[in-house]
Amino acid sequence: DGGITQSPKYLFRKEGQNVTLSCEQNLNHDAMYWYRQDPGQGLRLIYYSQIVNDFQKGDIAEGYSVSREKKESFPLTVTSAQKNPTAFYLCASSIPGTGTYEQYFGPGTRLTVT
Amino acid sequence: GDSVTQMEGPVTLSEEAFLTINCTYTATGYPSLFWYVQYPGEGLQLLLKATKADDKGSNKGFEATYRKETTSFHLEKGSVQVSDSAVYFCALSQNSGGSNYKLTFGKGTLLTVNP
Repeated sequence: DGGITQSPKYLFRKEGQNVTLSCEQNLNHDAMYWYRQDPGQGLRLIYYSQIVNDFQKGDIAEGYSVSREKKESFPLTVTSAQKNPTAFYLCASSIPGTGTYEQYFGPGTRLTVT
Repeated sequence: GDSVTQMEGPVTLSEEAFLTINCTYTATGYPSLFWYVQYPGEGLQLLLKATKADDKGSNKGFEATYRKETTSFHLEKGSVQVSDSAVYFCALSQNSGGSNYKLTFGKGTLLTVNP
């Protein structure tokens, strides 16, 4: 079955450590996205990538970094510069230019930093 | 910029009650509109969509009509079930330049259905 996988489901880190969240898709989608979800705030866009080797900052990119070396993979690194990293992180993908532009989401990774 | 406003929750209903979750939007041009659902501890699933004015999206008994004159996309279901308990997000998709299409989400509405 095609879909998006995120691992791990739960992640715990100490303050000051960088941590990388995995996102893999086998939908053959060109575009991939990272969102952050906090209680009562909906989803906020961190980074997105329309094609391999290219990505753009979203609304809250500070303290995060990404890479897009393969079409299937879009890992997100939460750096020690991110002031409040504890959150639920969602990865998504889509096919640009389909006319409806809906995005398909992975199951998410809950990151807790103490 | 674009924005989506949903009714604040939480919404608590009894099984078989009628559901309405209001959603209005602000956008230039002609966005596509979506409702996503999120069950506890999971990612978002696309529930339904509409791509132009007067389109009605429907799925699993849920419906929403794209009303350009009132810039609204209200979600409705005639008879809710306990299994419908979840957070519902209204969203719009707009060309943000070139081939970039960005989803803008509302803050979500928590629905709890009691037996």
